Amino acid sequence: DVKVTQSSRYLVKRTGEKVFLECVQDMDHENMFWYRQDPGLGLRLIYFSYDVKMKEKGDIPEGYSVSREKKERFSLILESASTNQTSMYLCASSRAGGRNEQFFGPGTRLTVL
Amino acid sequence: GIQVEQSPPDLILQEGANSTLRCNFSDSVNNLQWFHQNPWGQLINLFYIPSGTKQNGRLSATTVATERYSLLYISSSQTTDSGVYFCAVASLAGNNRKLIWGLGTSLAVNP
Repeated sequence: DVKVTQSSRYLVKRTGEKVFLECVQDMDHENMFWYRQDPGLGLRLIYFSYDVKMKEKGDIPEGYSVSREKKERFSLILESASTNQTSMYLCASSRAGGRNEQFFGPGTRLTVL
Repeated sequence: GIQVEQSPPDLILQEGANSTLRCNFSDSVNNLQWFHQNPWGQLINLFYIPSGTKQNGRLSATTVATERYSLLYISSSQTTDSGVYFCAVASLAGNNRKLIWGLGTSLAVNP
């Protein structure tokens, strides 16, 4: 079974703090994704990565950066957290090409005070 | 870009009832997935179904790619079926790594 794990289920940070969200997958998937989910807005793609050290902006990249130094790990970084970044953050992974089914981690509920 | 619409937005059922959820999409796709988001926020893969019909227990799904819609059937619903059901697609014309999401159907199954 594909397993995607995220470093925290719940996180509380203060405005201006630097925040790291970590995601690890164990299925040797090439693609990894970060989404945020807000009520009424559905899932929105922040960034994705299709290979180590490669990244592409999604629909709402402002205020975020990412890092992928190893194939299995994809990090989302909030350089200076703001209250409007309070949200549910979901990480996913998929194979490249062919059956590109995405699998999700359990999510991190981030609150920025 | 491709648009994804799900209906109905909300659904309330009595335990044991059957239901059909619909997903319409505006362009050809090479990936269509149905997910169930449980009350804890976890997205659970139900079906990978860019075309054809699949069944898994009380759930089944059909995608008619030529007519650009997919249906998710839930039979003999249980309270544990409650949550939000999402349809997501990847377009043949666009970046097929990226999923485009519907806004979901929120299902409540009452005992």
